[in-house]
Amino acid sequence: DAKTTQPPSMDCAEGRAANLPCNHSTISGNEYVYWYRQIHSQGPQYIIHGLKNNETNEMASLIITEDRKSSTLILPHATLRDTAVYYCIVRGLLHTDKLIFGTGTRLQVFP
Amino acid sequence: DTAVSQTPKYLVTQMGNDKSIKCEQNLGHDTMYWYKQDSKKFLKIMFSYNNKELIINETVPNRFSPKSPDKAHLNLHINSLELGDSAVYFCASSRGQGGVRYGYTFGSGTRLTVV
Repeated sequence: DAKTTQPPSMDCAEGRAANLPCNHSTISGNEYVYWYRQIHSQGPQYIIHGLKNNETNEMASLIITEDRKSSTLILPHATLRDTAVYYCIVRGLLHTDKLIFGTGTRLQVFP
Repeated sequence: DTAVSQTPKYLVTQMGNDKSIKCEQNLGHDTMYWYKQDSKKFLKIMFSYNNKELIINETVPNRFSPKSPDKAHLNLHINSLELGDSAVYFCASSRGQGGVRYGYTFGSGTRLTVV
């Protein structure tokens, strides 16, 4: 039921920017884009979310295209500890709307 | 200081047994959730409670019964455990209804193994 498409895996050199793409071509006007990650053997961790404007916080930046059909999560300086599965999730604003996880992108940061 | 804590971290039990997993959050959040992550790593929502009221109840066998004694606790009781119940169960909480503005905070998971 996930409404997003992500590449199954990506590699990134330590210290470089990691750019994780996500397609959500069927997103509706009242749906947000969320990013979570899951480091091995831990619970998922919230990273960032946005509606249509680009967003930045201490963890990452989120770039959403003007038509909102795709987005990119940017980790500006990847570290080994950023190795994880990254999930891009689209969901609405109602409290009954569910956070539905897809298969995500497995990001491997190498030295 | 753990924000969302689950106990136990590991649980190994025999088929047919009844077991409970406990979850507590000290964040003052209003909504709590249970997710199940199976062997293929798919994370699926099971239940959500807002201020002790059941909000989301996915297609989960009746053997699974959530209980929320107060808004800081959401326990999961499982009757007549089956092999297919083996998974990692994650508890989560969010501020306000649905975690729309602030995201969810997840616990570290309970690995349930049914033998």
